[in-house]
Amino acid sequence: AQSVTQLGSHVSVSEGALVLLRCNYSSSVPPYLFWYVQYPNQGLQLLLKYTTGATLVKGINGFEAEFKKSETSFHLTKPSAHMSDAAEYFCAVGGGFQGGSEKLVFGKGTKLTVNP
Amino acid sequence: NAGVTQTPKFQVLKTGQSMTLQCAQDMNHEYMSWYRQDPGMGLRLIHYSVGAGITDQGEVPNGYNVSRSTTEDFPLRLLSAAPSQTSVYFCASSLMPGTGLSNEQFFGPGTRLTVL
Repeated sequence: AQSVTQLGSHVSVSEGALVLLRCNYSSSVPPYLFWYVQYPNQGLQLLLKYTTGATLVKGINGFEAEFKKSETSFHLTKPSAHMSDAAEYFCAVGGGFQGGSEKLVFGKGTKLTVNP
Repeated sequence: NAGVTQTPKFQVLKTGQSMTLQCAQDMNHEYMSWYRQDPGMGLRLIHYSVGAGITDQGEVPNGYNVSRSTTEDFPLRLLSAAPSQTSVYFCASSLMPGTGLSNEQFFGPGTRLTVL
């Protein structure tokens, strides 16, 4: 079974400050990990994903995430927040290369507010 | 490619009414799924399908039916709508998970359903 925990349902930062959104996962197989972003009244858009290989993954809009197996974490960061980053962010874990669950399991989401 | 399309975008039902939410994808994806999104709950899997003629239950299947007669379409039926089914519904599709392929899911724009 797989699960995802996102620490902090709401995160507030100032424009230009570091963004750090935390995600921890549980998986019995080497996982595939994803971050999705949802802007108000829209669907989910993939920000970045980790499958295999390099543990530091770069995504769209300046975001990146690092897969740390020892910490079972996949935290999302951006060096400098922009007002347009205000959205809800979801971490998700999937079956991985060795297979496993056919389902993608999502965290409950973290709503990011960017203050001017 | 249109990607994943959903109709309608908005719907208001009375308790006890039935309706079908439509979902279609043109990416030849084997895997399709339905989620509901409620505040503070993240995305919860309702039903999923790994190919035409094959469906299975997710986390919250009660009150919903699905069928998959073609690769492209995956409709979600509400048999007798209840106020607890007021939610935003997302359809998603991907390559087949658990096969060593990244099961990045592509999401439709959502259907906002209100049951009075």
